[in-house]
Amino acid sequence: GAVVSQHPSWVICKSGTSVKIECRSLDFQATTMFWYRQFPKQSLMLMATSNEGSKATYEQGVEKDKFLINHASLTLSTLTVTSAHPEDSSFYICSASRTGGSSYEQYFGPGTRLTVT
Amino acid sequence: QKEVEQNSGPLSVPEGAIASLNCTYSDRGSQSFFWYRQYSGKSPELIMSIYSNGDKEDGRFTAQLNKASQYVSLLIRDSQPSDSATYLCAPRSTGFQKLVFGTGTRLLVSP
Repeated sequence: GAVVSQHPSWVICKSGTSVKIECRSLDFQATTMFWYRQFPKQSLMLMATSNEGSKATYEQGVEKDKFLINHASLTLSTLTVTSAHPEDSSFYICSASRTGGSSYEQYFGPGTRLTVT
Repeated sequence: QKEVEQNSGPLSVPEGAIASLNCTYSDRGSQSFFWYRQYSGKSPELIMSIYSNGDKEDGRFTAQLNKASQYVSLLIRDSQPSDSATYLCAPRSTGFQKLVFGTGTRLLVSP
């Protein structure tokens, strides 16, 4: 149990375009999902916490208008990178916590590698 | 002071040895602690969680927690080359659902 998927696994887009990344919990319901970004040889950086049916909470320094997060159901959250630029090229990873759980364990998706040309 | 401190390594151990990974954290209110393994180019994988002081064993892995010292560790017995990865320590931030990740310790297990 506790499988999280992401789609696409990799994407190349041109500068100025938008890219949507999907995160799904396949075998459990997730009230809360998290979006991270990781640059090569660096640690995970939390971008935002997404709660089903409410607005996401963004970490300091993360532009909410650039990184749009929607958590419309208990199994799906999406991250849209708007007007992408080469500096947005990174490894984007989502994670999910079980609804009703008290352990706060996060299960990670396989990640999406974004390259902006 | 960083919220979560880990020795970046690499920590090199021979196959079959015990690998000891350490982590200190600054948030005294943290109650939940997690260890993740991340292979190069992959996403993190949860390997252990611990909530109470003392030891928790799961197969070859033992997590140790000392809240008074704000210290958590992970022991890997009978280390295998397949254990070579970066290990991330992640306490849960008090009052929040989010985890605070350390920069990780890179472990190299040589055959």
